[in-house]
Amino acid sequence: GNSVTQMEGPVTLSEEAFLTINCTYTATGYPSLFWYVQYPGEGLQLLLKATKADDKGSNKGFEATYRKETTSFHLEKGSVQVSDSAVYFCALNSLEYGNKLVFGAGTILRVKS
Amino acid sequence: DAGVTQSPTHLIKTRGQQVTLRCSPISGHKSVSWYQQVLGQGPQFIFQYYEKEERGRGNFPDRFSARQFPNYSSELNVNALLLGDSALYLCASSGGTGGSSYEQYFGPGTRLTVT
Repeated sequence: GNSVTQMEGPVTLSEEAFLTINCTYTATGYPSLFWYVQYPGEGLQLLLKATKADDKGSNKGFEATYRKETTSFHLEKGSVQVSDSAVYFCALNSLEYGNKLVFGAGTILRVKS
Repeated sequence: DAGVTQSPTHLIKTRGQQVTLRCSPISGHKSVSWYQQVLGQGPQFIFQYYEKEERGRGNFPDRFSARQFPNYSSELNVNALLLGDSALYLCASSGGTGGSSYEQYFGPGTRLTVT
C-alpha cells in the first residue's frame, strides 16, 4: 500500500539556518506529492506540491523536488525564521485510490532567535 | 472567499455518547473528505464524498458515518464514543476527485475530547 516516512523530530534550528526535512514514500502508480504545514492550534495549510517526477514545488522560500529514482520529496529552506516554527507533514495522493491523502507522522520544527 | 469552515471548534463528550461534526466546503467545491488526527500523529483518512456519494472509506469502524448534502456541506457522525476517539477532526474540500481538481484545502478542525 501507499505510505510516507518522515524524519523524526523535533528539529531545532537557530534563525537563518538551513533546513532539510527528509521524506520518502512508497506508492503504486504515479502519486502527487505535497508538503503541508500546521501551526499550533490550527488546521493544515498546503505549503507546496509536485505532480510528476523532477517537478520542483516552491512557496515562501521552501522547496522540494519530486525524485522518482529515490522515491523522495525532501523539504528545504535556505534561511529559516522563528515564524517557520510549526509541524510539517509530507503527503501523497495516488488518484488510483481516489482522492485520499496519505500523510507522514509529521516533523516538529522549532526555530530559536 | 471563505475557506473551509467547521463546527463546533471544540467539543467534550462522555464515553458512549454520539457526536455530529459539520463542515462547509469552499464555494464551488463538490468533494469533502474527513480525516482524524490523533495528537502527535499525521491525519488519517476517514471518508470522502463527492456529489453526495461516498467515494472512499478508510480503516475505521462502522461507528463512524458521514453524509453530504445537496449544498455539498457534510456531517461526520461518531456513535458509541470511545476514549480513543479523542482527536482533531479535519475536513478538506476539493473541486473534484480527479485531474487538476484533486488539491485539498483543510478547515481548522474540530477538537473532540472524550472523557
